[in-house]
Amino acid sequence: ETGVTQTPRHLVMGMTNKKSLKCEQHLGHNAMYWYKQSAKKPLELMFVYNFKEQTENNSVPSRFSPECPNSSHLFLHLHTLQPEDSALYLCASSQKVGEGYEQYFGPGTRLTVT
Amino acid sequence: GQNIDQPTEMTATEGAIVQINCTYQTSGFNGLFWYQQHAGEAPTFLSYNVLDGLEEKGRFSSFLSRSKGYSYLLLKELQMKDSASYLCAVRDSNYQLIWGAGTKLIIKP
Repeated sequence: ETGVTQTPRHLVMGMTNKKSLKCEQHLGHNAMYWYKQSAKKPLELMFVYNFKEQTENNSVPSRFSPECPNSSHLFLHLHTLQPEDSALYLCASSQKVGEGYEQYFGPGTRLTVT
Repeated sequence: GQNIDQPTEMTATEGAIVQINCTYQTSGFNGLFWYQQHAGEAPTFLSYNVLDGLEEKGRFSSFLSRSKGYSYLLLKELQMKDSASYLCAVRDSNYQLIWGAGTKLIIKP
């Protein structure tokens, strides 16, 4: 138990569906992250929020839309996804963005797009 | 471009020692992390190096040479539960983590 929870753990959706992934951290951290993890590939950073402000968007397609209502909660809204978006989506948090602050990860949401 | 290289897979025997190497080329350097990830689980933090040298933490040690762009994770007295993927990540000049693809470590009895 890392103090970061994600729901749902598994999600199957069609290309025309709209769904949302939820992340919650109970660590009092101020920075939250979304990552995509595909088999045998490095973790891909998608979005970074620092004190609820989005500080990084690594050229992520607009079909992924993040939302950070407060420092404890992070959402990833999904719509009109493609089969290649099937992956493990990991949420992480850290005390803040900067040197030395390790990230704590949630268990991930395994997403399958059919 | 930025790049982190580590072996895809390694095999070792229970009770033995294994060294997992990581080399990096990044735009700036603000620390190197090692994470462990068991199959189907979240990555968990193992170690952090920002200065050259060896950091020891129980059975695990991590070494860094900034001039060579090189790090290794040393695991001693291997146990079956050490079977996992080990991820190397470097924090670049923008304080973003650049990740390697991970090394899958298989422990045999």
